[in-house]
Amino acid sequence: QKEVEQDPGPLSVPEGAIVSLNCTYSNSAFQYFMWYRQYSRKGPELLMYTYSSGNKEDGRFTAQVDKSSKYISLFIRDSQPSDSATYLCAMKTGGFKTIFGAGTRLFVKA
Amino acid sequence: GAVVSQHPSWVICKSGTSVKIECRSLDFQATTMFWYRQFPKQSLMLMATSNEGSKATYEQGVEKDKFLINHASLTLSTLTVTSAHPEDSSFYICSASSAGTGHEQYFGPGTRLTVT
Repeated sequence: QKEVEQDPGPLSVPEGAIVSLNCTYSNSAFQYFMWYRQYSRKGPELLMYTYSSGNKEDGRFTAQVDKSSKYISLFIRDSQPSDSATYLCAMKTGGFKTIFGAGTRLFVKA
Repeated sequence: GAVVSQHPSWVICKSGTSVKIECRSLDFQATTMFWYRQFPKQSLMLMATSNEGSKATYEQGVEKDKFLINHASLTLSTLTVTSAHPEDSSFYICSASSAGTGHEQYFGPGTRLTVT
C-alpha cells in the first residue's frame, strides 16, 4: 500500500463547475498537508499549505484535512480553463521529507 | 514569494557525456534542497536531499556516483548527471526549503534532459 493514494484521473469538468480533488494516506504521523498545481512541463507550484486538521480557504481554493479519516481534499470553485493542470497532494511529518501523491490531471472545458 | 530558478531549462546531450543542472533560490537562503525526477504523466520521484555544506542523502536505488549533487552555498545546488545514457532522459526538478519558508518546498521550473 502506498503511503499516499491519489486518483490520477483524468477529471474533466465544464467551466464554472466545483471541482473536488482528494487524497488518502496511511501514515497517521503526517502533520503538514500541501496541494501543488503543475502545468505541463513546468515545476509544481504551491497552492495550499495546511497544518493538522481543518479548513483553509484562499480565493477559489479550499483545502480540507480530516486526520481522523486520513483524508484530504482540495475544492476549486468556479473552475476556469486556466485551472487545467495536474494537482498533486503532498504531506509530511515534522521532518523535511515530503511524500507526494501521483497527481490528478484536471481538464476544465470552456 | 519564494522563487527558485533552474538552468538550463532544456538540454540535449550525447550519450557518455556529463550534464550539470543548477538550482538557485533567488530570494531566500535554502538550507535544504531536493532533487526530483519526473517521468511523463507520473509523479515526482525524490532522488536526493542535500543540506548546505553536507553530503547529499540519496534515496534507495539512486546511484550517487552517477547523480552528483553539490550544495556549496545557501542559494545554489547542482546536479551533475555523469556518463549520461538515453534512459537518463527525464524531467529533473529541484526544490528548496528553509526555516524562513516554514519548511515549505518551493520548486524550480524543471530541466528537461534528452540524451541521444
